[in-house]
Amino acid sequence: GDSVTQMEGPVTLSEEAFLTINCTYTATGYPSLFWYVQYPGEGLQLLLKATKADDKGSNKGFEATYRKETTSFHLEKGSVQVSDSAVYFCALRVTGNQFYFGTGTSLTVIP
Amino acid sequence: NAGVTQTPKFRVLKTGQSMTLLCAQDMNHEYMYWYRQDPGMGLRLIHYSVGEGTTAKGEVPDGYNVSRLKKQNFLLGLESAAPSQTSVYFCASSYGGPRAEYFGPGTRLTVT
Repeated sequence: GDSVTQMEGPVTLSEEAFLTINCTYTATGYPSLFWYVQYPGEGLQLLLKATKADDKGSNKGFEATYRKETTSFHLEKGSVQVSDSAVYFCALRVTGNQFYFGTGTSLTVIP
Repeated sequence: NAGVTQTPKFRVLKTGQSMTLLCAQDMNHEYMYWYRQDPGMGLRLIHYSVGEGTTAKGEVPDGYNVSRLKKQNFLLGLESAAPSQTSVYFCASSYGGPRAEYFGPGTRLTVT
C-alpha cells in the first residue's frame, strides 16, 4: 500500500548549518508530495509541495525535489535558523481521499 | 478567514465519559478529516468526509463516531472514553484530490 518513510530524529544542528531530512515513499499511481511543519503547540502548516516528477517545491529557504526514479522527496535548507526548530512531516496523496504521513522528524537548531 | 478551528483546545475525561470535538472551516472545503497524533506514530486518520452528509472510516476508526450535518462542521464523538484515546486530535479540510490539507490547531485530550 501507499506509505511514507522519513528519517528518524531527533536532529540537532548549529545555526547556519545545512539541513537534509530524508523522505522516501511507496505509492501506486502518481502521488503529490508535501512537507508540513509543526511548531510547538500548534497544528501542521503546509511548508511546500510538488505535484509531479522533477517538480521542485520551495518556501522560506526550504526546498524539496520530487524524484520519481528514487521515490524520494528530501527536504533541504542551506542555512538553518533557531526559528526553524520544529517537527517536519513528509506526506503523500495519490488520487483518493487520504493523506499518508511520515512519523515526523524533530529538528532543534542551537545558536 | 478563520481557516480551520477546533473546540475545545484541551480536555480531561474520566474513563467511560463521552464528549464531542467540534471542527469548523470557513473555506467551503468539501473534504474534512479527523486525525490523531501520538508520539512516534505520526498522524493517523480516524474518519473523514467527502461532503455534507457523508462519512467514511479511516485507519483507526474504532471507538469514534463522526457526523457532517453541515458542510462547514465535522464532529468527532467519543461515546465511552478509554485511556488509549489520550492523544492530540487534529481536524483538517481540503478541496479534495491531490491538494494540500489545512489543519486546525489541535485538541489535547487526556483520559484518566
